[in-house]
Formats: sequence, structure tokens, C-alpha cells
Amino acid sequence: DQQVKQNSPSLSVQEGRISILNCDYTNSMFDYFLWYKKYPAEGPTFLISISSIKDKNEDGRFTVFLNKSAKHLSLHIVPSQPGDSAVYFCAADNYGQNFVFGPGTRLSVLP
Amino acid sequence: EAGVAQSPRYKIIEKRQSVAFWCNPISGHATLYWYQQILGQGPKLLIQFQNNGVVDDSQLPKDRFSAERLKGVDSTLKIQPAKLEDSAVYLCASSLGVGATNQPQHFGDGTRLSIL
Repeated sequence: DQQVKQNSPSLSVQEGRISILNCDYTNSMFDYFLWYKKYPAEGPTFLISISSIKDKNEDGRFTVFLNKSAKHLSLHIVPSQPGDSAVYFCAADNYGQNFVFGPGTRLSVLP
Repeated sequence: EAGVAQSPRYKIIEKRQSVAFWCNPISGHATLYWYQQILGQGPKLLIQFQNNGVVDDSQLPKDRFSAERLKGVDSTLKIQPAKLEDSAVYLCASSLGVGATNQPQHFGDGTRLSIL
């Protein structure tokens, strides 16, 4: 049973446009959500996070939205750049007791 | 600051052999994690340490996997004997831990293990 789901294995976007990556979760006890970016042969790199008491967090070109009632979060990248091409993992944490990753979405930003 | 260090980067062994991985977390990070990432999947937590104590090892196959963090800093993960299905990338991560809520984990580059 997957507690964190990323239903799109891959996504292609034109450079300069918006990339939207989606994530759904099932455990209502999760209180902290994160996005990681992973390049080949490297470990995941922390990108942005959001606490369950917020519905939006921004950091430069990256914005994460949280909809607790729908148990859904999304990552928006605007504008998308070729260097953003990577695998993006959604992760959720339950007060530091249960850290779970989704299966990842491969983003390709086309020049 | 220096990141999470892992070694070796790559390891190839035959099934039924043993193997060990080493991790040095970010200085000052109390919590250390070992993950297994199989190709095409997200990382799966194997074990979580808080200083030198185990917080969660519910997904660690204890008949063949073991891990220790004796002095609350470095950690080793061992597989003995290895099976074909253990082929994966083994990632180590650390976070501030005690007294610090909602802190991200920071990952090393992992060890890619291939079982022949």
C-alpha cells in the first residue's frame, strides 16, 4: 500500500513554461511534506517543503501547494529551465516518525 | 558545510557474499537514515538512528541486514549473505533530529550495489 503516490511517471514541458508535478497521500497523520530533485548517479537533493499548517510555500521559481482536505500537493516550477530536467520525489513525514517517499516523476524540459 | 559522505560509490559482489557500506553524516546531525532505492522506485527506509539508538528498523530484513552507529556519528550497513534482489542503490541521509521538528533530510550520493 503506497502512502505517497505520484501517478505521472514522466512529464515533458517546453522551456519557459510552467511545470506542475502532483502528489497524493493517504495518511492523514502526515504533517510535513517535501520535494526532492534527483540527477542520475547523485543522491536526492532537498528542494522545498511545506508544513501542514500552511497551504503554500514559495522559493524563487518553485512553489509548493498543499490541499489537506484532498490529501494532495503539487510543485510548480515557473519558468522551467533545461537544468530542471531530473526525477522529482514527493515525500511526507509524520512528526519525524514515518518518512515516506513517492515513486518519483521524471521531468524533461525541452529547449 | 560538508555534505553526507558515503563509500564505496559502487560495489559488485556475487550472491551469498557479504558487503558493507559506510556513511558519515553532516556534522551535528543527530538523526541518520539508511534507505534502499530499487531502480524506478522511491527510496525505502531501512533504518533510522537517533544518535546511537535505533528509532525505526521495521523495514530492515534482519535475517541478512544489520546496521550500527556505535558512537552516534558514522554508521555502517551490512548485508550478509547478499541475494540477487538486494541489487539497489543504498542511500544514507541525516537531519538535525532531536528538538528540531520539520527538518529536511540531506542525502549522500549513495552506493550502487550489483549482485551477480
